[in-house]
Amino acid sequence: AQSVAQPEDQVNVAEGNPLTVKCTYSVSGNPYLFWYVQYPNRGLQFLLKYITGDNLVKGSYGFEAEFNKSQTCFHLKKPSALVCDSALYFCAVRAAYSGGYQKVTFGTGTKLQVIP
Amino acid sequence: ETGVTQTPRHLVMGMTNKKSLKCEQHLGHNAMYWYKQSAKKPLELMFVYNFKEQTENNSVPSRFSPECPNSSHLFLHLHTLQPEDSALYLCASSPSGLAYEQYFGPGTRLTVT
Repeated sequence: AQSVAQPEDQVNVAEGNPLTVKCTYSVSGNPYLFWYVQYPNRGLQFLLKYITGDNLVKGSYGFEAEFNKSQTCFHLKKPSALVCDSALYFCAVRAAYSGGYQKVTFGTGTKLQVIP
Repeated sequence: ETGVTQTPRHLVMGMTNKKSLKCEQHLGHNAMYWYKQSAKKPLELMFVYNFKEQTENNSVPSRFSPECPNSSHLFLHLHTLQPEDSALYLCASSPSGLAYEQYFGPGTRLTVT
């Protein structure tokens, strides 16, 4: 069965410092990997995804993530955190099978708190 | 705005009531999803529709009944719910295909009393 682990319930970072939100996954075969962000009283909003190709993926609002197949991880990063980045972040995985529907599995989420 | 709307945004219902949640997407997508979001738990996939056909029912109790009359609309009919069903119910849509991301509505905050 596929799974996603976000080992930190909360990450605190000072404004202007680099941030990392961790994600490890387990899936049969190759993965499709996604990051979403959720602001208070809102639904999830897509940030970026890894499908194939370059392991470093760039997304919205200056976020990026690096796919590491050997360590089965897809950590979310940003060089300089902003207070408005404070939100709940979800990692998700889907098996890249060619036939039939494959469900998406989400992690439990990591709350990012950027301190002014 | 993501192009996915949900109504109502908040709902309080008794255990014997019947109510429905509505989701509408204006993105031309062919896949629609219902998720349940509870505190400290992973997002739980409930139902998936592809081209109006249900392709996933993730062992959801029968007190939750989905309906997808067309590719733009999705309903979740609720009856005889339990207090543990209180949660945020999220609707999402996407193009059909595994590599596509999902677009989420703002959710309906459901409280069962």
